[in-house]
Amino acid sequence: QQQVKQSPQSLIVQKGGISIINCAYENTAFDYFPWYQQFPGKGPALLIAIRPDVSEKKEGRFTISFNKSAKQFSLHIMDSQPGDSATYFCAARVRNDMRFGAGTRLTVKP
Amino acid sequence: IAGITQAPTSQILAAGRRMTLRCTQDMRHNAMYWYRQDLGLGLRLIHYSNTAGTTGKGEVPDGYSVSRANTDDFPLTLASAVPSQTSVYFCASSEVSAGELFFGEGSRLTVL
Repeated sequence: QQQVKQSPQSLIVQKGGISIINCAYENTAFDYFPWYQQFPGKGPALLIAIRPDVSEKKEGRFTISFNKSAKQFSLHIMDSQPGDSATYFCAARVRNDMRFGAGTRLTVKP
Repeated sequence: IAGITQAPTSQILAAGRRMTLRCTQDMRHNAMYWYRQDLGLGLRLIHYSNTAGTTGKGEVPDGYSVSRANTDDFPLTLASAVPSQTSVYFCASSEVSAGELFFGEGSRLTVL
């Protein structure tokens, strides 16, 4: 049973558009919520992360929105670019146990 | 560039054979992890180690073992490989109390 549920599985966006990926979690003990970006043939790399005492975090074109009461968080990619085409994983951590969502394959069309 | 080195990059293995995936980090991180990545399931934690000399079980530990003789190395062993262990394996490290995981580039294992 997956503790972090991610949607959609795949997403196609036009260049300049907004990409939105959603995640929901069950365990209220999770205290750290990162998003990882993975390119084909590479390992995942941290993109942006948030802690549950903050409702939003923005870094450049990437924003995490966090809703503690709903146990949901999302990644917004503004002005999406073809170079953003990758697989994105949300995750949630308690102590050393990092649980990942199933991943979203994002394709940004030029 | 400092980071995590995994070997081999890919391997085809007959069922029943023993296999060790190697992982070395040069960031002096205390914690190390092994994940497997399967389509539609994301990354699942196999085993972890908070510091040299200690290891713990993750979400899917059955059929795998690890050791942590020193800070830098964290090998993953499949004692008797089965086809369901066909996957891409990622080693990662982090400071014990920090959230960011640093991943290697993965080892693709196919068990026939």
